[in-house]
Amino acid sequence: QKEVEQNSGPLSVPEGAIASLNCTYSDRVSQSFFWYRQYSGKSPELIMSIYSNGDKEDGRFTAQLNKASQYVSLLIRDSQPSDSATYLCASSNGQNFVFGPGTRLSVLP
Amino acid sequence: DTEVTQTPKHLVMGMTNKKSLKCEQHMGHRAMYWYKQKAKKPPELMFVYSYEKLSINESVPSRFSPECPNSSLLNLHLHALQPEDSALYLCASQGGTGELFFGEGSRLTVL
Repeated sequence: QKEVEQNSGPLSVPEGAIASLNCTYSDRVSQSFFWYRQYSGKSPELIMSIYSNGDKEDGRFTAQLNKASQYVSLLIRDSQPSDSATYLCASSNGQNFVFGPGTRLSVLP
Repeated sequence: DTEVTQTPKHLVMGMTNKKSLKCEQHMGHRAMYWYKQKAKKPPELMFVYSYEKLSINESVPSRFSPECPNSSLLNLHLHALQPEDSALYLCASQGGTGELFFGEGSRLTVL
């Protein structure tokens, strides 16, 4: 059974702090990894994609991938109340996507 | 442009009705997906179309019938649904580097 695991949260951080979201995956052949943000009642929105070991930065977001440890993370710097949402981690091997259960992030003003 | 358009946004239907959900993308993507999502759960894969051919069917009940008329359109035909089928139905298309782009979803309520 291919699985992606996340801490369901809620993860609460104060405004301006760094939020750290973590994800582990079981399928070693997974090649691609994605972070989606989903506001309540809305559809998932792609935040970051990462394909190779190391860090990838885009604005306030940094994704980190460690294939040896089967670990993916997302750091959100200078967290804002508008970042409050559920963050879904996903692994993929072509057309086979596996989503984690999501981590609910709450950024407190 | 990373837009996937789904219609209708909301749908209420009885258990004997027949209705359809529609999805459209003009990004030239060749793989399109249907997902079902219940509250506080991750999206659950239903079907994948690749180059207009059904490539993945996750053992979905036959009351859900997908159709891909062309590379830009994806339909989901609904018939004799049950109240437990009420959910957010998400369409997605797959970009060149493997990422999925989701539409806004169709929120279905079965009475």
